[in-house]
Amino acid sequence: QVQLQESGPGLVKPSQTLSLTCTVSGGSISSGNYHWNWIRQPAGKGLEWIGRIYTSGTININPSLKSRVTTSVDTSKNQFSLKLRSVTAADTAVYFCARSLAGTVGYWGQGILVTVSS
Amino acid sequence: EIVMTQSPATLSVSPGERATLSCRASQSVSLNLAWYQQKPGQAPRLLIYDASTRASTRAPASTRATGIPARFSGSGSGTEFTLTISSLQSEDFAIYYCQQYNNWPWTFGQGTKVEIK
Repeated sequence: QVQLQESGPGLVKPSQTLSLTCTVSGGSISSGNYHWNWIRQPAGKGLEWIGRIYTSGTININPSLKSRVTTSVDTSKNQFSLKLRSVTAADTAVYFCARSLAGTVGYWGQGILVTVSS
Repeated sequence: EIVMTQSPATLSVSPGERATLSCRASQSVSLNLAWYQQKPGQAPRLLIYDASTRASTRAPASTRATGIPARFSGSGSGTEFTLTISSLQSEDFAIYYCQQYNNWPWTFGQGTKVEIK
């Protein structure tokens, strides 16, 4: 059974960079026809797809965040990562990493709350 | 981007009753529509994909999810979709989201909260 676990700082200052890593266990990040995704959810609100990456390097980022987001994959560590630059309070949310197949997410991390505050 | 609109925002239902949730897309998404269930403090759980396929019908090795009860069913195509829970159980009280994966960026509806009446 594949498992995903987010890690990173829970508090980031405004204008700084939010950096998160997702570690995949129970299977190789390189196997199968999966995308590896970042999705976020502000408290009490809905879900927003940030971006997705194939291990081949193909990346799709939500246009609303494209100027601030970088995502990458490290197959040697079975991890993928997210960087969100120039954060504001509006970026405060629970961030989920997830594995998707053909556009739908079957496996999610537990989520990590990231608060943007000075 | 495609805007997904769910209705109602809140649905009050008694255990054992039927619940019908709606999702409308701002443009056609064909059959590329999924439903998720989310309980407080948890990640969403995939219930339905391709508008009407319960995740448990796929082979476990490559499935997007497993173990979805048969009381959950999905229907619709194009811009209008429905999730039906035939007989609500106590564990079904949660928030339900629809999600389109026809056009990037994939987008979710704002959710329907199913609460105990």
